Amino acid sequence: SAVISQKPSRDICQRGTSLTIQCQVDSQVTMMFWYRQQPGQSLTLIATANQGSEATYESGFVIDKFPISRPNLTFSTLTVSNMSPEDSSIYLCSVSVVGGSSSGANVLTFGAGSRLTVL
Amino acid sequence: DAKTTQPPSMDCAEGRAANLPCNHSTISGNEYVYWYRQIHSQGPQYIIHGLKNNETNEMASLIITEDRKSSTLILPHATLRDTAVYYCIVRFNAGNNRKLIWGLGTSLAVNP
Repeated sequence: SAVISQKPSRDICQRGTSLTIQCQVDSQVTMMFWYRQQPGQSLTLIATANQGSEATYESGFVIDKFPISRPNLTFSTLTVSNMSPEDSSIYLCSVSVVGGSSSGANVLTFGAGSRLTVL
Repeated sequence: DAKTTQPPSMDCAEGRAANLPCNHSTISGNEYVYWYRQIHSQGPQYIIHGLKNNETNEMASLIITEDRKSSTLILPHATLRDTAVYYCIVRFNAGNNRKLIWGLGTSLAVNP
């Protein structure tokens, strides 16, 4: 399965600033996703990062707030813009390869996450 | 993708089997049952999946009822490192991740 490196692992930011989170995969993958996990909550999909085109955002998430880049098949970034305390969350990068395992499972592999605290 | 229902929390003694239930009464014929877990401060980790038959791997066993409306994840000899939140998800294997519903899962505490 793919190995994902995500950084920063954690950061404390001031209100109104922006932070870019990087996701590096050790192999080429078709599907890359960005999730948010607010304190005590489950995972919410922010967007699908598409290589060579604009990301596909889920309801409630917009490009101006969460711009995403996907320059190639192994790398993506998520920027959290103009941060407020409500943006304090864990942000997770994930990849999916249908049939990528010997069992043919559609397995999501996650990075360790970036824990963001906004003061 | 169908929705699942899990108990919010469970306790298990170290060395004992942990049996984590999941209800998925609206599962369709082509949807698989997947289990993930999330250890504190880490991203979710895939455990096991199945369609109809019971499955076993090095991490766990998955028991799916004949009507497929519920399943049980079994950790045969739980250790302290198995303390985590366990998520049960149903999905089409070629399905769109945009439709996955991640509930709150079951928070399993393995006690010494």
